[in-house]
Amino acid sequence: QQQVKQSPQSLIVQKGGISIINCAYENTAFDYFPWYQQFPGKGPALLIAIRPDVSEKKEGRFTISFNKSAKQFSLHIMDSQPGDSATYFCAASTVSGTYKYIFGTGTRLKVLA
Amino acid sequence: DTAVSQTPKYLVTQMGNDKSIKCEQNLGHDTMYWYKQDSKKFLKIMFSYNNKELIINETVPNRFSPKSPDKAHLNLHINSLELGDSAVYFCASSQDSLRGTRGGYTFGSGTRLTVV
Repeated sequence: QQQVKQSPQSLIVQKGGISIINCAYENTAFDYFPWYQQFPGKGPALLIAIRPDVSEKKEGRFTISFNKSAKQFSLHIMDSQPGDSATYFCAASTVSGTYKYIFGTGTRLKVLA
Repeated sequence: DTAVSQTPKYLVTQMGNDKSIKCEQNLGHDTMYWYKQDSKKFLKIMFSYNNKELIINETVPNRFSPKSPDKAHLNLHINSLELGDSAVYFCASSQDSLRGTRGGYTFGSGTRLTVV
């Protein structure tokens, strides 16, 4: 119940295309869903996050869509660029005394020029 | 100014040795974490400290011992290193508090530990 399932494991997109990464969770106590971007040799960096009281959040070319009833959320990268090539992690956490993030297994995105 | 800094960046050592990784954050955050990233990129929490108090201790061999001398520092000491300890270890911090404020993690750039 603590898992966050992420798909696909890898993704290749043409420049200008839309990249879509999906995550699903079981624990209904999760109430904060961030996405992290990791470049080789670097630590993950917070990209965008959403709480379950909204169904969508957009920041620039990055959008999180959230479906509370299906317990799913996804990251959409519009107009994907070669500089977006990185590993993306979804995560979930809950306010239950501690702020432990459960991370998805990661998606390696490659955007072709 | 690096927000979360870890040292060393690379660590190659023999089995059975004891080693330490240091982490410092200058963000004024209350909570610090150690995560382990394995060869498949999976990120798994190991420990978390809030204002020097241990609040998360996952199922980690007791060869791993964290220490937080103050809320800006969280070090990780590993005894009797094994081949399976080879991984990238990330320190992170956040402004989370047990009273409910919430923020994202700021990660360090990682320490790649190789046990030979």
